[in-house]
Amino acid sequence: GAVVSQHPSWVICKSGTSVKIECRSLDFQATTMFWYRQFPKQSLMLMATSNEGSKATYEQGVEKDKFLINHASLTLSTLTVTSAHPEDSSFYICSARGLAGGVDIQYFGAGTRLSVL
Amino acid sequence: LAKTTQPISMDSYEGQEVNITCSHNNIATNDYITWYQQFPSQGPRFIIQGYKTKVTNEVASLFIPADRKSSTLSLPRVSLSDTAVYYCLVAPFSGGYNKLIFGAGTRLAVHP
Repeated sequence: GAVVSQHPSWVICKSGTSVKIECRSLDFQATTMFWYRQFPKQSLMLMATSNEGSKATYEQGVEKDKFLINHASLTLSTLTVTSAHPEDSSFYICSARGLAGGVDIQYFGAGTRLSVL
Repeated sequence: LAKTTQPISMDSYEGQEVNITCSHNNIATNDYITWYQQFPSQGPRFIIQGYKTKVTNEVASLFIPADRKSSTLSLPRVSLSDTAVYYCLVAPFSGGYNKLIFGAGTRLAVHP
């Protein structure tokens, strides 16, 4: 199946700094990617829809100035957590649409664990 | 988007068949049913997708009754490595383009 790669897998940063997370579709083009956040023992929560060449669409309650999304190419979307604070510590996961044997699904990256000190 | 309801948790033993049922009473005509598996600190992994009747792949089977208001994921002969959270999602066929709303999922624990 299609592969979605996330980098880094784990990042620790100081409060007030910004962190960039990359999401790449390795063997296919992705005009649409999605960003999710997951807290321990909880389900995935959709943060935003990233569209290549246009502005991201954010879910209600997600601060677009806090979580900057850039989808500059068909294989790369980035999520930047600006001025990170301890409450931003979470597991961030991206996904991209792909086809597997004719099945139209979302493929997920391995996730990025962000710890803000 | 159709809301889904699943059991919060299930327990099983190695070698047994596990059936996880998901309720989606408000499923729309163009909605497909997709199941994902998630291990701790990993992204969800696609298991199976279906629209009606039965779908089978090398990993699992998906049973969907005629009214499509529920679906059952069947895992044959589970092993310890099947311990994970299983999510049932409902979305239009272009599920790749549509945002997926994850419910709480079912936490499956497989015991020796």
